Amino acid sequence: SQQGEEDPQALSIQEGENATMNCSYKTSINNLQWYRQNSGRGLVHLILIRSNEREKHSGRLRVTLDTSKKSSSLLITASRAADTASYFCAPYSGAGSYQLTFGKGTKLSVIP
Amino acid sequence: DAGITQSPRHKVTETGTPVTLRCHQTENHRYMYWYRQDPGHGLRLIHYSYGVKDTDKGEVSDGYSVSRSKTEDFLLTLESATSSQTSVYFCAISVEGSNEKLFFGSGTQLSVL
Repeated sequence: SQQGEEDPQALSIQEGENATMNCSYKTSINNLQWYRQNSGRGLVHLILIRSNEREKHSGRLRVTLDTSKKSSSLLITASRAADTASYFCAPYSGAGSYQLTFGKGTKLSVIP
Repeated sequence: DAGITQSPRHKVTETGTPVTLRCHQTENHRYMYWYRQDPGHGLRLIHYSYGVKDTDKGEVSDGYSVSRSKTEDFLLTLESATSSQTSVYFCAISVEGSNEKLFFGSGTQLSVL
């Protein structure tokens, strides 16, 4: 398994603005997943993008994947106070064990 | 929440005592995981299981053991708790056919004094 590294570590924006966070990884992947964690809670799966996809949308979320640069980005459009959370990426190599490892995350604060 | 229950939710114990955390699932999924989350380290995989009595180590397995005698229960044991094991522990399951997506429990806050 491999770990993704999220950047920036912290991000503070005004409500209504867009939030972009990035993820870098080191080896080839089968897919890459993004998760959200609200304070004091477990992680919640947001979106999965496969290695043969370049962009994926889900509601206000847009994920891109650039396998040549080994990087992904998560864009949250028209942010809301409820989007305040930590966001984690999890690159999955597809080695058969379903093992996912997580980085330190990006802590997003959306100011009303 | 894919029917995951962690118990206890909070525990305070003393150094040197054994501690067992329980993860229970109601949907018969094969893969289960234990993570710990610490400030500055993110989530780190302790152990995982791919079936009854089939377990393997993660990246931070020292000081921990696990058991899975039934599909629905995955136990994490700290044989002799240390202060460095103070952490929030999360159990997770992956749902086959769900593209490796993990579902997480609500966590156990463990304090070792």
